[in-house]
Amino acid sequence: AQTVTQSQPEMSVQEAETVTLSCTYDTSESDYYLFWYKQPPSRQMILVIRQEAYKQQNATENRFSVNFQKAAKSFSLKISDSQLGDAAMYFCASTAPGANSKLTFGKGITLSVRP
Amino acid sequence: GAVVSQHPSRVICKSGTSVKIECRSLDFQATTMFWYRQFPKQSLMLMATSNEGSKATYEQGVEKDKFLINHASLTLSTLTVTSAHPEDSSFYICSARRTDQPQHFGDGTRLSIL
Repeated sequence: AQTVTQSQPEMSVQEAETVTLSCTYDTSESDYYLFWYKQPPSRQMILVIRQEAYKQQNATENRFSVNFQKAAKSFSLKISDSQLGDAAMYFCASTAPGANSKLTFGKGITLSVRP
Repeated sequence: GAVVSQHPSRVICKSGTSVKIECRSLDFQATTMFWYRQFPKQSLMLMATSNEGSKATYEQGVEKDKFLINHASLTLSTLTVTSAHPEDSSFYICSARRTDQPQHFGDGTRLSIL
């Protein structure tokens, strides 16, 4: 079984600044994947970044990077040079390998960006 | 990148009507498709997992006779909300996945039952 915890319901960041969104997880799987999804007001689910648990190197996608601490079961998302378009709900999620494996989502965090 | 098309994007209908939502993977064959329900400001709640040619696996508390899922091919799954009532009003999202690839989501369907 997997659980994903996002304890902060809301955060705010000034445009051009950096913000870190927290996520912790628990799993009994030895191999798993972690994700951050963005859901803007349009409600489209957009994959922001993906991390394979067996990789020690933190994943990076342009302004988005993660801090993956496997022993602490922590998977935080850092957004650098925040832009107004980054305002959205962000969901942390985990899954085991295998086509039928379910995504387990956290409750999400609403990020607002101040101009 | 992988594209998942969900149709319709918005449905408004009278109580008692059955509503069908389609989910198509446009440029890949999906091993598995998933159906979620989402209330405002909340996370996605998995309703069921479907594989082509077999019966869907429903999550606990989801009525399979209420939410009929048909997975006709490797690129198409449908969700039918039967005899819909106002409490069924919600945002429904599908996703499709190939083995060991991330789930790709449709744009969702906003269902409003009057």
